[in-house]
Amino acid sequence: EAQVTQNPRYLITVTGKKLTVTCSQNMNHEYMSWYRQDPGLGLRQIYYSMNVEVTDKGDVPEGYKVSRKEKRNFPLILESPSPNQTSLYFCASSLVEGRLEQYFGPGTRLTVT
Amino acid sequence: AQSVAQPEDQVNVAEGNPLTVKCTYSVSGNPYLFWYVQYPNRGLQFLLKYITGDNLVKGSYGFEAEFNKSQTSFHLKKPSALVSDSALYFCAVREGNQAGTALIFGKGTTLSVSS
Repeated sequence: EAQVTQNPRYLITVTGKKLTVTCSQNMNHEYMSWYRQDPGLGLRQIYYSMNVEVTDKGDVPEGYKVSRKEKRNFPLILESPSPNQTSLYFCASSLVEGRLEQYFGPGTRLTVT
Repeated sequence: AQSVAQPEDQVNVAEGNPLTVKCTYSVSGNPYLFWYVQYPNRGLQFLLKYITGDNLVKGSYGFEAEFNKSQTSFHLKKPSALVSDSALYFCAVREGNQAGTALIFGKGTTLSVSS
Protein backbone atom coordinates (compact mmCIF):
# COMPACT_ATOMS: atom_id res chain seq x y z
CA GLU A 1 0.00 0.00 0.00
CA ALA A 2 1.31 3.43 -0.97
CA GLN A 3 1.71 5.46 2.17
CA VAL A 4 3.60 7.94 4.28
CA THR A 5 4.38 6.71 7.78
CA GLN A 6 5.40 8.72 10.81
CA ASN A 7 6.68 7.63 14.19
CA PRO A 8 5.88 8.13 16.92
CA ARG A 9 2.22 9.10 16.60
CA TYR A 10 2.16 10.63 20.07
CA LEU A 11 5.02 11.98 22.13
CA ILE A 12 5.20 13.80 25.43
CA THR A 13 8.63 15.12 26.34
CA VAL A 14 10.35 17.74 28.46
CA THR A 15 12.02 20.97 27.49
CA GLY A 16 15.52 20.49 26.11
CA LYS A 17 15.43 16.75 25.51
CA LYS A 18 16.42 16.05 21.91
CA LEU A 19 13.94 14.10 19.85
CA THR A 20 13.48 12.82 16.32
CA VAL A 21 10.25 12.20 14.46
CA THR A 22 10.73 9.79 11.59
CA CYS A 23 8.99 9.97 8.23
CA SER A 24 9.13 7.39 5.50
CA GLN A 25 7.38 7.05 2.14
CA ASN A 26 7.25 4.00 -0.14
CA MET A 27 6.22 5.76 -3.36
CA ASN A 28 9.67 6.77 -4.63
CA HIS A 29 8.70 10.41 -4.28
CA GLU A 30 11.34 13.06 -4.79
CA TYR A 31 9.67 15.82 -2.79
CA MET A 32 9.09 15.64 0.96
CA SER A 33 7.99 18.24 3.45
CA TRP A 34 7.23 18.81 7.11
CA TYR A 35 4.34 20.91 8.39
CA ARG A 36 3.01 21.87 11.77
CA GLN A 37 -0.69 22.37 12.39
CA ASP A 38 -1.86 24.73 15.10
CA PRO A 39 -5.45 25.78 15.85
CA GLY A 40 -6.45 28.87 13.91
CA LEU A 41 -3.21 28.89 11.93
CA GLY A 42 -3.72 26.06 9.47
CA LEU A 43 -0.64 24.22 8.27
CA ARG A 44 2.71 25.92 8.10
CA GLN A 45 5.71 24.49 6.33
CA ILE A 46 8.81 23.83 8.44
CA TYR A 47 11.28 22.36 5.96
CA TYR A 48 11.14 20.70 2.60
CA SER A 49 13.37 18.58 0.40
CA MET A 50 13.26 18.40 -3.37
CA ASN A 51 15.54 15.37 -3.51
CA VAL A 52 18.27 13.48 -1.67
CA GLU A 53 20.72 15.83 0.04
CA VAL A 54 18.66 18.87 -1.00
CA THR A 55 16.76 20.56 1.83
CA ASP A 56 15.51 24.08 2.40
CA LYS A 57 13.68 26.15 4.97
CA GLY A 58 9.97 26.68 4.91
CA ASP A 59 8.07 29.38 6.74
CA VAL A 60 8.78 28.31 10.34
CA PRO A 61 12.17 26.53 10.47
CA GLU A 62 13.48 27.90 13.78
CA GLY A 63 14.23 25.17 16.29
CA TYR A 64 14.07 22.34 13.78
CA LYS A 65 16.54 20.37 11.67
CA VAL A 66 16.05 17.86 8.90
CA SER A 67 18.14 15.54 6.80
CA ARG A 68 17.56 13.64 3.56
CA LYS A 69 20.20 10.96 3.22
CA GLU A 70 17.89 8.51 1.49
CA LYS A 71 15.02 9.17 -0.85
CA ARG A 72 12.41 7.47 1.29
CA ASN A 73 13.25 9.01 4.69
CA PHE A 74 12.98 12.58 5.94
CA PRO A 75 13.36 12.80 9.72
CA LEU A 76 12.51 15.92 11.70
CA ILE A 77 14.88 16.70 14.55
CA LEU A 78 14.22 18.96 17.52
CA GLU A 79 17.61 19.50 19.16
CA SER A 80 16.24 21.34 22.19
CA PRO A 81 12.46 21.28 22.22
CA SER A 82 10.53 24.09 23.85
CA PRO A 83 6.86 24.35 24.86
CA ASN A 84 6.06 26.53 21.82
CA GLN A 85 6.86 23.51 19.66
CA THR A 86 3.88 21.67 21.09
CA SER A 87 1.89 20.97 17.97
CA LEU A 88 0.58 18.42 15.49
CA TYR A 89 3.21 17.57 12.90
CA PHE A 90 2.64 16.18 9.43
CA CYS A 91 5.07 14.77 6.93
CA ALA A 92 4.07 14.84 3.26
CA SER A 93 5.50 13.71 -0.05
CA SER A 94 4.83 14.09 -3.75
CA LEU A 95 6.38 12.65 -6.87
CA VAL A 96 7.90 15.98 -7.75
CA GLU A 97 7.60 19.46 -6.35
CA GLY A 98 4.96 21.74 -7.75
CA ARG A 99 1.86 20.74 -9.63
CA LEU A 100 1.26 17.34 -8.07
CA GLU A 101 -0.74 16.69 -4.93
CA GLN A 102 0.99 15.79 -1.71
CA TYR A 103 0.38 12.63 0.29
CA PHE A 104 0.26 13.16 4.04
CA GLY A 105 1.26 10.97 6.91
CA PRO A 106 -1.10 10.36 9.84
CA GLY A 107 0.47 13.01 12.03
CA THR A 108 2.54 13.16 15.22
CA ARG A 109 1.11 14.93 18.22
CA LEU A 110 3.96 16.39 20.22
CA THR A 111 3.65 17.88 23.70
CA VAL A 112 6.65 19.63 25.25
CA THR A 113 6.33 20.38 28.96
CA ALA B 1 3.89 37.09 -1.41
CA GLN B 2 1.45 34.26 -1.66
CA SER B 3 -1.55 34.04 0.61
CA VAL B 4 -4.82 32.18 0.89
CA ALA B 5 -7.93 33.03 2.87
CA GLN B 6 -10.81 30.89 4.00
CA PRO B 7 -13.23 33.49 5.34
CA GLU B 8 -15.49 31.07 7.23
CA ASP B 9 -14.28 29.13 10.24
CA GLN B 10 -17.36 26.93 10.08
CA VAL B 11 -20.03 26.09 7.53
CA ASN B 12 -23.23 24.35 8.58
CA VAL B 13 -25.52 22.66 6.07
CA ALA B 14 -28.32 20.13 6.19
CA GLU B 15 -27.87 16.77 4.55
CA GLY B 16 -29.03 16.84 0.95
CA ASN B 17 -28.48 20.58 0.55
CA PRO B 18 -25.74 22.04 -1.60
CA LEU B 19 -22.59 23.17 0.14
CA THR B 20 -19.93 25.77 -0.61
CA VAL B 21 -16.65 26.29 1.20
CA LYS B 22 -15.00 29.53 0.17
CA CYS B 23 -11.38 30.21 -0.69
CA THR B 24 -9.65 33.27 -2.08
CA TYR B 25 -5.97 33.54 -2.92
CA SER B 26 -3.22 35.94 -3.83
CA VAL B 27 -0.19 35.10 -5.96
CA SER B 28 1.85 37.23 -8.29
CA GLY B 29 1.65 34.84 -11.24
CA ASN B 30 -0.47 31.88 -12.19
CA PRO B 31 -1.68 29.82 -9.23
CA TYR B 32 -1.67 26.13 -8.53
CA LEU B 33 -4.70 25.56 -6.28
CA PHE B 34 -5.58 22.56 -4.12
CA TRP B 35 -8.27 21.39 -1.74
CA TYR B 36 -7.55 18.91 1.03
CA VAL B 37 -9.83 17.34 3.63
CA GLN B 38 -8.91 16.24 7.14
CA TYR B 39 -11.04 13.80 9.11
CA PRO B 40 -10.59 13.60 12.90
CA ASN B 41 -7.27 12.09 13.95
CA ARG B 42 -6.20 11.62 10.35
CA GLY B 43 -3.77 13.21 7.96
CA LEU B 44 -4.87 15.42 5.08
CA GLN B 45 -6.33 13.80 1.98
CA PHE B 46 -6.21 15.35 -1.46
CA LEU B 47 -9.60 16.25 -2.99
CA LEU B 48 -8.88 18.15 -6.18
CA LYS B 49 -6.62 20.67 -7.85
CA TYR B 50 -6.51 23.35 -10.51
CA ILE B 51 -3.33 23.72 -12.50
CA THR B 52 -4.50 24.89 -15.91
CA GLY B 53 -7.33 24.32 -18.36
CA ASP B 54 -11.03 24.02 -17.57
CA ASN B 55 -12.05 26.33 -14.74
CA LEU B 56 -14.40 23.72 -13.26
CA VAL B 57 -12.50 20.82 -11.74
CA LYS B 58 -14.02 17.68 -10.35
CA GLY B 59 -12.52 15.66 -7.57
CA SER B 60 -13.07 12.89 -5.08
CA TYR B 61 -16.32 12.12 -3.26
CA GLY B 62 -18.45 14.24 -5.62
CA PHE B 63 -16.71 17.51 -4.83
CA GLU B 64 -15.92 20.15 -7.42
CA ALA B 65 -14.36 23.58 -7.44
CA GLU B 66 -14.45 26.52 -9.78
CA PHE B 67 -11.40 28.61 -10.52
CA ASN B 68 -12.32 32.26 -10.98
CA LYS B 69 -9.31 34.30 -12.01
CA SER B 70 -11.02 37.71 -11.89
CA GLN B 71 -12.25 37.12 -8.35
CA THR B 72 -9.13 35.17 -7.34
CA SER B 73 -11.34 32.49 -5.86
CA PHE B 74 -11.43 28.71 -5.82
CA HIS B 75 -14.59 27.76 -3.93
CA LEU B 76 -15.28 24.11 -3.12
CA LYS B 77 -18.78 22.86 -3.89
CA LYS B 78 -20.93 19.78 -3.70
CA PRO B 79 -24.52 19.56 -5.00
CA SER B 80 -25.83 17.38 -2.17
CA ALA B 81 -24.08 17.19 1.20
CA LEU B 82 -23.70 14.00 3.21
CA VAL B 83 -23.25 13.67 6.96
CA SER B 84 -20.00 11.87 6.19
CA ASP B 85 -18.68 15.05 4.51
CA SER B 86 -18.32 16.61 7.95
CA ALA B 87 -14.63 17.37 8.31
CA LEU B 88 -12.01 20.13 8.22
CA TYR B 89 -11.28 21.48 4.73
CA PHE B 90 -8.13 23.26 3.65
CA CYS B 91 -7.50 25.33 0.56
CA ALA B 92 -3.87 25.67 -0.53
CA VAL B 93 -2.06 27.71 -3.16
CA ARG B 94 1.40 28.00 -4.59
CA GLU B 95 3.00 30.05 -7.27
CA GLY B 96 2.91 28.06 -10.48
CA ASN B 97 6.16 27.34 -12.30
CA GLN B 98 8.29 28.71 -9.48
CA ALA B 99 10.61 26.02 -8.19
CA GLY B 100 11.03 25.94 -4.46
CA THR B 101 7.89 27.92 -3.70
CA ALA B 102 6.03 26.69 -0.65
CA LEU B 103 2.48 25.44 -0.68
CA ILE B 104 0.53 27.88 1.48
CA PHE B 105 -2.48 26.57 3.37
CA GLY B 106 -5.52 28.45 4.58
CA LYS B 107 -6.56 28.22 8.21
CA GLY B 108 -9.22 25.66 7.42
CA THR B 109 -13.01 25.56 7.42
CA THR B 110 -14.96 23.10 9.51
CA LEU B 111 -17.89 21.68 7.59
CA SER B 112 -20.74 20.32 9.68
CA VAL B 113 -23.51 18.44 7.89
CA SER B 114 -26.58 17.70 9.98
CA SER B 115 -29.02 14.88 9.35
